[in-house]
Amino acid sequence: GQQVMQIPQYQHVQEGEDFTTYCNSSTTLSNIQWYKQRPGGHPVFLIQLVKSGEVKKQKRLTFQFGEAKKNSSLHITATQTTDVGTYFCAGKTSNTGKLIFGQGTTLQVKP
Amino acid sequence: NAGVTQTPKFQVLKTGQSMTLQCAQDMNHEYMSWYRQDPGMGLRLIHYSVGAGITDQGEVPNGYNVSRSTTEDFPLRLLSAAPSQTSVYFCASVQQGATEAFFGQGTRLTVV
Repeated sequence: GQQVMQIPQYQHVQEGEDFTTYCNSSTTLSNIQWYKQRPGGHPVFLIQLVKSGEVKKQKRLTFQFGEAKKNSSLHITATQTTDVGTYFCAGKTSNTGKLIFGQGTTLQVKP
Repeated sequence: NAGVTQTPKFQVLKTGQSMTLQCAQDMNHEYMSWYRQDPGMGLRLIHYSVGAGITDQGEVPNGYNVSRSTTEDFPLRLLSAAPSQTSVYFCASVQQGATEAFFGQGTRLTVV
């Protein structure tokens, strides 16, 4: 079945450093979504990428979708303590509500 | 709108007991899903539904049943709870043709 792998599992950075998490799917995706979960909270939608090679930015966050539509990345520039949480990628292979999530990357930021 | 509402927030069960985790959404979303979240495992899909009367299995369906008699409600049933089902459970809904999945606040279940 479809699998979505995400690395690293944990990342500790000093405030101001950059952070990147990577997502790889075993199958070609129709789109990929990114979610953020704050400690003790629930996942909250950040963005969706649909086109091959697509790049989107949200302030200090940059999201990329690979040319083959099988991988994606999230890069945070100059992390802040408010960036703390777990970041998940989630892939869809068809136009249904079936989202398969990666394992998530938990980001800790030291002030 | 309340969004996606899950009840209860916390639950402790004994091995072998049964219970139903409730999920309701008031956004008229067609798609609803149940996930479990375990450390290092991310969010794993248990069951999902593309509309009232239609359900399908996800990645880890064993030990769980679902039904979708209305658009609003998507309960998850544990027929005979096992310690391996100790987890945080999230319900999510999505509007057909839309992108964003809306999650409930989660149910923290402990089976002893």
